[in-house]
Amino acid sequence: GAVVSQHPSWVICKSGTSVKIECRSLDFQATTMFWYRQFPKQSLMLMATSNEGSKATYEQGVEKDKFLINHASLTLSTLTVTSAHPEDSSFYICSARDVFGPRDTEAFFGQGTRLTVV
Amino acid sequence: AQKITQTQPGMFVQEKEAVTLDCTYDTSDQSYGLFWYKQPSSGEMIFLIYQGSYDEQNATEGRYSLNFQKARKSANLVISASQLGDSAMYFCAMRVPMYSGGGADGLTFGKGTHLIIQP
Repeated sequence: GAVVSQHPSWVICKSGTSVKIECRSLDFQATTMFWYRQFPKQSLMLMATSNEGSKATYEQGVEKDKFLINHASLTLSTLTVTSAHPEDSSFYICSARDVFGPRDTEAFFGQGTRLTVV
Repeated sequence: AQKITQTQPGMFVQEKEAVTLDCTYDTSDQSYGLFWYKQPSSGEMIFLIYQGSYDEQNATEGRYSLNFQKARKSANLVISASQLGDSAMYFCAMRVPMYSGGGADGLTFGKGTHLIIQP
């Protein structure tokens, strides 16, 4: 079945540094991937839509210069949190759809990345 | 804009009992999809069940079934014969395709229901 792998699963970084999170579709090609953020005991909020070969589409209120998204290939999207601050500490999770597969309606999620900025 | 409402922040259920988790949605679009995901404490999102707006029959996946009442805009999840391993957060979500006017084709999630199964 379709698998989405996310790395790292957790990261601790110092305030002011940048962190890169990778999202890979392992057995299918994903022209579109999605990045979500989840604060403790809250729901998932869509941050941006990552489009292969073009610019990402950001949701209202999400700073595109702070959350850099690159989707350079059909199987890899990266989210870079630049100049991270403690308020960026959160659970980041990506998803993708295998639009050409038998389960084309399902959104497959990565394992998530727990970011802690100290 | 789409909106998902889950009115049960938490539920305690006895093992082996059936559970109904409530979900109502709001959209003006005719074409949309409804999803339920389970999120254990590890954080991963586990897909449970999907219902398309044009599907005439309620979706079923093993112990999970979706009680889809289109006129009421509700999509309740029913778990039959609950098990201890069912304890987790449960999220209802909706997607409106971009061709139907959806903004991003991503999912809009409800706030979730924390289900605890007691032995």
